[in-house]
Amino acid sequence: EAEVAQSPRYKITEKSQAVAFWCDPISGHATLYWYRQILGQGPELLVQFQDESVVDDSQLPKDRFSAERLKGVDSTLKIQPAELGDSAMYLCASSLRTSGEKTGELFFGEGSRLTVL
Amino acid sequence: GQQVMQIPQYQHVQEGEDFTTYCNSSTTLSNIQWYKQRPGGHPVFLIQLVKSGEVKKQKRLTFQFGEAKKNSSLHITATQTTDVGTYFCAGPRGETSGSRLTFGEGTQLTVNP
Repeated sequence: EAEVAQSPRYKITEKSQAVAFWCDPISGHATLYWYRQILGQGPELLVQFQDESVVDDSQLPKDRFSAERLKGVDSTLKIQPAELGDSAMYLCASSLRTSGEKTGELFFGEGSRLTVL
Repeated sequence: GQQVMQIPQYQHVQEGEDFTTYCNSSTTLSNIQWYKQRPGGHPVFLIQLVKSGEVKKQKRLTFQFGEAKKNSSLHITATQTTDVGTYFCAGPRGETSGSRLTFGEGTQLTVNP
């Protein structure tokens, strides 16, 4: 069964350092999402891509976070500089295009757990 | 903006007891999705409801979408230890189904054998 691939699974870094996460969605999925999940809370959307275009990055802290999906396939999420409050699970998800009233179901990767010291 | 609220935050049951979690939105939703996240795992899609008053069943799980499309519930009959996890509802934030999917805070279910 096709899966969303993410790396690294775990990342420990010191504050003020740069970190990057990579995601390869399920083949054919036009929509890609980056979510942040703090322990005990629901996932919070950071950025949503439709093919190579950003369709929603309203919750992305743009002073330190950046995301790209240059060829409309895999994607990278970068944080520079990392802060203590960035410690969380970073989940990538992908879906088919929405159709009518239906929103494409999200397929999540295993996530990248970030710890900032 | 649209918010999705879930209650309760935690639920502890004895194996065999029933369980229900409720999801409420401040605005009308075009659809609602439910996900399950096992401890240490990632969210996994369970179901999507689109129609007003819709009821769908998956074995021991029953999902309902309210008539006003502002609330939803997930009911598990005769819980088993395999039901342990956090259940999230999620709805599109805007008026269109392509809008950002906003997740509730989840209901964490523990089942005592």
